[in-house]
Amino acid sequence: GNSVTQMEGPVTLSEEAFLTINCTYTATGYPSLFWYVQYPGEGLQLLLKATKADDKGSNKGFEATYRKETTSFHLEKGSVQVSDSAVYFCALLIYNQGGKLIFGQGTELSVKP
Amino acid sequence: DVKVTQSSRYLVKRTGEKVFLECVQDMDHENMFWYRQDPGLGLRLIYFSYDVKMKEKGDIPEGYSVSREKKERFSLILESASTNQTSMYLCASSTSGQGAGNEQFFGPGTRLTVL
Repeated sequence: GNSVTQMEGPVTLSEEAFLTINCTYTATGYPSLFWYVQYPGEGLQLLLKATKADDKGSNKGFEATYRKETTSFHLEKGSVQVSDSAVYFCALLIYNQGGKLIFGQGTELSVKP
Repeated sequence: DVKVTQSSRYLVKRTGEKVFLECVQDMDHENMFWYRQDPGLGLRLIYFSYDVKMKEKGDIPEGYSVSREKKERFSLILESASTNQTSMYLCASSTSGQGAGNEQFFGPGTRLTVL
């Protein structure tokens, strides 16, 4: 079946630290991969995406590379800020399944000043 | 500015009540989705709809039903609310077809408490 596994949180970092949130997936077919972010009290927003192997998605200093050989899509940022504190969700989409997203369990990030 | 709105941010209901959660999108999207979000479980799909009057069960449809009478509106119904349905409910919409990458746009969520 199709599934997404993220590293467990919460993750606590100091401002300007390097961030990695691991995400691996299992999928039949050729998925697109997404990172969504949920700030406190809000719904989810798309952070970045990649639609094929070796694509790199990037936005707001965050990056993730679609690695087919390791079935991974790890989220990275070189220098986090307090405003990056949020819950991050990795997700996959397989087109022949009607646009449904399959989400990981979410990783809470807390950045301290 | 694209928008998905949900009728309530917070809702408190009693066990056995019938509960309606409303979602409206202004992007003329074909697809609409209802999820519930629980700590440690991520988002789980309850129901989705490809078009008006069409609906498909997601991963956890038990205890829920949906209605889509108009393209912009997708309602989630708890026929007889139970305490294990206390959760955050998120609505989303997306366009059909592969060109847009099927990004889903989310509403702000409704936090439902069933007493």
